[in-house]
Amino acid sequence: AQSVTQLDSQVPVFEEAPVELRCNYSSSVSVYLFWYVQYPNQGLQLLLKYLSGSTLVKGINGFEAEFNKSQTSFHLRKPSVHISDTAEYFCAVSDLGGYQKVTFGIGTKLQVIP
Amino acid sequence: DGGITQSPKYLFRKEGQNVTLSCEQNLNHDAMYWYRQDPGQGLRLIYYSQIVNDFQKGDIAEGYSVSREKKESFPLTVTSAQKNPTAFYLCASKGQGSRNSNQPQHFGDGTRLSIL
Repeated sequence: AQSVTQLDSQVPVFEEAPVELRCNYSSSVSVYLFWYVQYPNQGLQLLLKYLSGSTLVKGINGFEAEFNKSQTSFHLRKPSVHISDTAEYFCAVSDLGGYQKVTFGIGTKLQVIP
Repeated sequence: DGGITQSPKYLFRKEGQNVTLSCEQNLNHDAMYWYRQDPGQGLRLIYYSQIVNDFQKGDIAEGYSVSREKKESFPLTVTSAQKNPTAFYLCASKGQGSRNSNQPQHFGDGTRLSIL
């Protein structure tokens, strides 16, 4: 079984400030890790993914995430946020074999304050 | 452009009525999924299909039904047995096989279902 914990349901941050959205996961097998963004009344859009190799992953819109195996974390960061980053962000894990079940976190709402 | 199309964007249901949500993809993906999204609960898997004419129940399949007669299409029916159907429904697809094992799911823009 696998699970995902997003530690913050809402994160307010001022425009141009840095932000970190936290994600911890639990799994008995190796996993792939993803971050998705969802704007109001839209589907999920992939921000970035970790499959293997370098633990620092860069994605779209200036976001990056770092995979930490010992802490089972995959936190999302951006050095300077913009108003347009206001959205909900979902962390997800997928096992590697067979059906590849995907488990999503409950989401973190990022509110960028002008 | 390739993608996933969900229709309608908004749907209203009367008590005791079945409704069907459409999901069509032109990505040539074998696997398709239906998720339900409620505030504060993230995405929960309703049904998934890895190949035409085959599908499996997800975590919250009660009150829902699906079919997969064509690779491109995976409609979801919300039956009258689903007592709390008001939610945002998302369809997704993904390539299968070892060549696509590390690929993410692609999502449609969702259908918001409300009860009148």
